[in-house]
Amino acid sequence: GAGVSQSPSNKVTEKGKDVELRCDPISGHTALYWYRQSLGQGLEFLIYFQGNSAPDKSGLPSDRFSAERTGGSVSTLTIQRTQQEDSAVYLCASSLEGGKGSEAFFGQGTRLTVV
Amino acid sequence: AQSVSQHNHHVILSEAASLELGCNYSYGGTVNLFWYVQYPGQHLQLLLKYFSGDPLVKGIKGFEAEFIKSKFSFNLRKPSVQWSDTAEYFCAVVFSGGYNKLIFGAGTRLAVHP
Repeated sequence: GAGVSQSPSNKVTEKGKDVELRCDPISGHTALYWYRQSLGQGLEFLIYFQGNSAPDKSGLPSDRFSAERTGGSVSTLTIQRTQQEDSAVYLCASSLEGGKGSEAFFGQGTRLTVV
Repeated sequence: AQSVSQHNHHVILSEAASLELGCNYSYGGTVNLFWYVQYPGQHLQLLLKYFSGDPLVKGIKGFEAEFIKSKFSFNLRKPSVQWSDTAEYFCAVVFSGGYNKLIFGAGTRLAVHP
């Protein structure tokens, strides 16, 4: 596609339920990133993929959070047993490669609300 | 720890006023520097970036930023803002020793009044 696509755009879930957020990166981009944007705060790094492997998952806030990437393309961020503090906008970005010279392109994000 | 600070959380200006948004980072090594903008209801977009060379970088829509290594700063400027510049602005840094992992500041919300 022309840009990074995320789905759903909005998700309301009950506390304790699991959710899956999807990211379709720009075709050909090998690097993929997940960020979280909470109200009044900046973007918090969650995890980085190069191809299908995740060399840096240091930003995942707890073991309730996990992510995978398949076929070097689509990525899914899963949050288990959601809590109210998980409410945020989850942003996905991709870049042509993981090197520092590559511009990261962002999706529109998924707004997650845990009630 | 590697961190990025944006000093102004909210800025309100009138059209034609000059803009300067501060950004400082914590690390003394090699860095790549970025400013992103998020217009209401839209996704993050790159305004400008600095990798090397001339420390004064020009971006889209009349924005520019100056990298001052001695001050660990990368302030964003625009001589004359427009109502359409109303947005949230994020400074981001890629620190050396790794891949393209952007560390973001908290953002500055700019409101331009006609």
